[in-house]
Amino acid sequence: DAGVTQSPTHLIKTRGQQVTLRCSPKSGHDTVSWYQQALGQGPQFIFQYYEEEERQRGNFPDRFSGHQFPNYSSELNVNALLLGDSALYLCASSLATRAIGETQYFGPGTRLLVL
Amino acid sequence: AQSVSQHNHHVILSEAASLELGCNYSYGGTVNLFWYVQYPGQHLQLLLKYFSGDPLVKGIKGFEAEFIKSKFSFNLRKPSVQWSDTAEYFCAAPATGNTGKLIFGQGTTLQVKP
Repeated sequence: DAGVTQSPTHLIKTRGQQVTLRCSPKSGHDTVSWYQQALGQGPQFIFQYYEEEERQRGNFPDRFSGHQFPNYSSELNVNALLLGDSALYLCASSLATRAIGETQYFGPGTRLLVL
Repeated sequence: AQSVSQHNHHVILSEAASLELGCNYSYGGTVNLFWYVQYPGQHLQLLLKYFSGDPLVKGIKGFEAEFIKSKFSFNLRKPSVQWSDTAEYFCAAPATGNTGKLIFGQGTTLQVKP
């Protein structure tokens, strides 16, 4: 049973560029959430996708956008990169998110460095 | 605003010592709480979760946590740590009225000396 996978594992970009990160959820899961984890901090919620729509959003600017595909995989796009966007980006998948307390399963993350 | 706070940012223990990591949450009402662990070079994985019922929750690898509603706490414990428990530990809770968003504490780095 494949867990959550993310690609690429590492990425280096320069300020102003755009980046796309990818995530495949755990088999059988239909919901994908994205988090940003800065060094020494806990993950911060960016947004969540369910049924190909953004359902919830955290306190992130519109430069952060996403997409979910019919096979439940997801992309995170960040435009006009800033130095402060350097972080580990985590994808988490879950099932039936209407149930409070549903466990989210995390992928290994994509480490983004913006120079 | 809702928050989850972890008291200890960096803990160093010798093998066989007992462990207790603090976690407090800021809101009342229905509460679900999680502890996640991130071993070096690995992804975040669930240690245990409290959903309802028995406030003493047992997780993987001998970890347990106790939900104390009156203290807004969900502390993680292990009677005897091993070198392999060296990792970063995160307490988390779903945002109230928002089932998709997990709020994480800033994490506690545990270093176990052999």
